[in-house]
Amino acid sequence: DVKVTQSSRYLVKRTGEKVFLECVQDMDHENMFWYRQDPGLGLRLIYFSYDVKMKEKGDIPEGYSVSREKKERFSLILESASTNQTSMYLCASSLGWGNQPQHFGDGTRLSIL
Amino acid sequence: GQNIDQPTEMTATEGAIVQINCTYQTSGFNGLFWYQQHAGEAPTFLSYNVLDGLEEKGRFSSFLSRSKGYSYLLLKELQMKDSASYLCAVSHSGAGSYQLTFGKGTKLSVIP
Repeated sequence: DVKVTQSSRYLVKRTGEKVFLECVQDMDHENMFWYRQDPGLGLRLIYFSYDVKMKEKGDIPEGYSVSREKKERFSLILESASTNQTSMYLCASSLGWGNQPQHFGDGTRLSIL
Repeated sequence: GQNIDQPTEMTATEGAIVQINCTYQTSGFNGLFWYQQHAGEAPTFLSYNVLDGLEEKGRFSSFLSRSKGYSYLLLKELQMKDSASYLCAVSHSGAGSYQLTFGKGTKLSVIP
């Protein structure tokens, strides 16, 4: 089975802090994704990556950046955390495009105070 | 842009059949996924349709009509454990890659 592991289940940070969310997958998947999930808004794509050192903006990239130095690891960075970034963050990976499903981690519930 | 609509909530009785609809408008369509998400858990893959028609997988079936921009997920012989949110997601292409755009999800409550 595919395993996507997010480093923290719950995280509390302060406004203005730089925040790192880590995600690791163990199935040699090319593609990795970061989403946030908010009540009434559903899952929204922040950034994705289809290869090491490659990144593409999703629908809501503002205030975020990403890093993919190794194939199995995809990091989401909040440069200067703000309260409107309080959310559930979900990482996903997929083997390829087309009919390949995305496999999700358990999520990180991030609170910015 | 992409637009995906699905009902916010549904309630059905244990043992019954329920149909969850999803309509979409998109460019570069490359298939439609359904995911199940229990409260506090990660979404898990249920089905994928790219051609018109019905795909059956045990108690769950998914249908797609590309010309109508319409899909549904059919759940038969409902069980209490089917209480969850069901997410419709459209795969679409752009700039040499593919993305998934998700609907807001349908929260299904199964009652005895």
